[in-house]
Amino acid sequence: TQLLEQSPQFLSIQEGENLTVYCNSSSVFSSLQWYRQEPGEGPVLLVTVVTGGEVKKLKRLTFQFGDARKDSSLHITAAQPGDTGLYLCAGEAKTSYDKVIFGPGTSLSVIP
Amino acid sequence: DAGVTQSPTHLIKTRGQQVTLRCSPKSGHDTVSWYQQALGQGPQFIFQYYEEEERQRGNFPDRFSGHQFPNYSSELNVNALLLGDSALYLCASSSRGHYQPQHFGDGTRLSIL
Repeated sequence: TQLLEQSPQFLSIQEGENLTVYCNSSSVFSSLQWYRQEPGEGPVLLVTVVTGGEVKKLKRLTFQFGDARKDSSLHITAAQPGDTGLYLCAGEAKTSYDKVIFGPGTSLSVIP
Repeated sequence: DAGVTQSPTHLIKTRGQQVTLRCSPKSGHDTVSWYQQALGQGPQFIFQYYEEEERQRGNFPDRFSGHQFPNYSSELNVNALLLGDSALYLCASSSRGHYQPQHFGDGTRLSIL
C-alpha cells in the first residue's frame, strides 16, 4: 500500500515568516503534485513535479522533488495571510498512473 | 469555460438510504475521478472512469458504484449509507495520459444522520 505522510500537520505563523512543509513516502512516484484547498472548496493544483531533484518556483513558493522521487518539499517565503489553507501533496503511482494518492495535508494559518 | 461542476452542494440522508451525486467535467476533459474527503483528512481515491468504464478503484466497498455517460459526465452512487460515509465527495476531471493535471469541483457535502 502506497502512503504519503505530511509534516507538520498544523502550522501557525506570523505574516512575513518563511516556512517549509514536507511530504514523504517509502514508495516511488512517477510524479507528485501539490494542491491548496480552502474551506468549502475543492483542491487547486499548484504544481506538478516529475523529475527526481526537480525544483519549481511559483512566485514565493518553491517546490522540490527528492532525487529518489519518494519525497517533496514546499517552501514559502515571506508568507501572506492569503497563503492560509490546507496544503496537500498527491503522488501518481509509478505502476498505475491513473491512481492518485493524497497525503493528509498540512493546515497553514498565516496571522496578519 | 466552465470548470468542474458538482451537484448537489449539500445533502442530508439517514442510515440505510441511497444517494446519487453528479459531476460534469471541465470542457475538453474525458476522465473523471471521485474522491472522499473526511473532515481534517486528505482526499481518498474512490475510482476513476474513462470511456464509460471504471478503470481504477481504491479501497472502497461495493456499496460505492459509479457511472460515466457518453458526454463524460459521471455519477457516484452509494447504497446502504453508514454514518461513516459522512464526508465531502470530490470529483476531478482530466485528460487521458501521464501527468495530466486534475481539476476539482467544490464537492458535495454529504451528512448522514
